[in-house]
Amino acid sequence: QVQLQESGPGLVKSSETLSLTCTVSGGSISNYYWSWIRQPPGKGLEWIGYIHYSGITSYSPSLKSRVTISVDTSKNQFSLRLTSVTAADTAVYYCARGPGTGGYFDSWGQGSLVTVSS
Amino acid sequence: QSVLTQPPSVSGAPGQRVTISCTGSSSNIGAGYDVHWYQQLPGTAPKLLIYGNSNRPSGVPDRFSGSKSVTSASLAITGLQAEDEADYYCQSYDISLTGFYVFGTGTKVTVL
Repeated sequence: QVQLQESGPGLVKSSETLSLTCTVSGGSISNYYWSWIRQPPGKGLEWIGYIHYSGITSYSPSLKSRVTISVDTSKNQFSLRLTSVTAADTAVYYCARGPGTGGYFDSWGQGSLVTVSS
Repeated sequence: QSVLTQPPSVSGAPGQRVTISCTGSSSNIGAGYDVHWYQQLPGTAPKLLIYGNSNRPSGVPDRFSGSKSVTSASLAITGLQAEDEADYYCQSYDISLTGFYVFGTGTKVTVL
């Protein structure tokens, strides 16, 4: 069974760049789509974007100008960069497998809380 | 921005049946896109509960069922159990703007 684990700083200063990495184990990163999804404290889920192992990406229109998702197939990892962060970007960030052709996310990491400080 | 609307909360006694609605529009559910459901237990990551409107992944009890109508979908939990107390989210795809995956506003299920 595939497992996902997020890693990265838990504290980022306002106006700086948030960077997280998701390591995939128990399976290959190839042949799948991989996404980042976030959840502000006490709020709902928001899809940030996805990357295909081939490098094809798609981003949420509301975050597109600040987001980059990349993949390193040799390390079975994919990463998130979010620039010019503000307090509104404080959230638990999840990496997940999907959306495949079915359009859903079938495996999730445990989540990583990132707090943006002023 | 969430374009799928769910009731903030529903509750029921053990053994009862509860339903959660997910209301969309012509740019998502009404455009023919499938609806999926996730369960988020307190302090944990979401877990896929229903995919493709009504299909259960392996290991999900058949107490959980999903259905889809024109611009809405529903999740039903029959024989409610204490362990079902969690947040539930619907999810689909929206073709407005450049297209994006969208989650519902979320529903807290409380077992009385």
